[in-house]
Amino acid sequence: DQQVKQNSPSLSVQEGRISILNCDYTNSMFDYFLWYKKYPAEGPTFLISISSIKDKNEDGRFTVFLNKSAKHLSLHIVPSQPGDSAVYFCAASTIQGAQKLVFGQGTRLTINP
Amino acid sequence: DVKVTQSSRYLVKRTGEKVFLECVQDMDHENMFWYRQDPGLGLRLIYFSYDVKMKEKGDIPEGYSVSREKKERFSLILESASTNQTSMYLCASSQSSYEQYFGPGTRLTVT
Repeated sequence: DQQVKQNSPSLSVQEGRISILNCDYTNSMFDYFLWYKKYPAEGPTFLISISSIKDKNEDGRFTVFLNKSAKHLSLHIVPSQPGDSAVYFCAASTIQGAQKLVFGQGTRLTINP
Repeated sequence: DVKVTQSSRYLVKRTGEKVFLECVQDMDHENMFWYRQDPGLGLRLIYFSYDVKMKEKGDIPEGYSVSREKKERFSLILESASTNQTSMYLCASSQSSYEQYFGPGTRLTVT
């Protein structure tokens, strides 16, 4: 069963507008969430994270929101830039999981000029 | 900067061959992981290791084994490659945080 789900395989956004990527999870024991970005032919790189004790974390153009009651998190990118075109994975972990990450399926973001 | 390197970027093997994928990290990290990435399935954990000579199964260990004889090196072994093991293989390492650092990946094709 997929404990972390990204239901949108792809998303297309105009340059300069806001990109919103969504992620849902089913395991209420998850207490830490991360977003990774992946370009073709490269490994994923860490983007931003959030602990379950927070509901928002911001880093420059990137903000992650966590809604624990809905078991939902989202990544906002504003303004979107062409270099943001990549596949984005959300991931989750538990303290008991000892730093193992459970990944979603990924969302391919395309920023159009 | 953390660097995780993988022995090959592209690999083509025949069904039934034994395949070795090597991963080396240079930051003295305790934890190392092997994933495979397939379209529509994201990254799935095959095996991980918390220390030298220690290994634990991930979500999809069938058909794979691992070896960690030195702290910096974590090898993934396909005992008898099959076509359904054609995939992108990603190695990662981490220390005490949740953040994992990934290598560039090995695209393995089994024919």
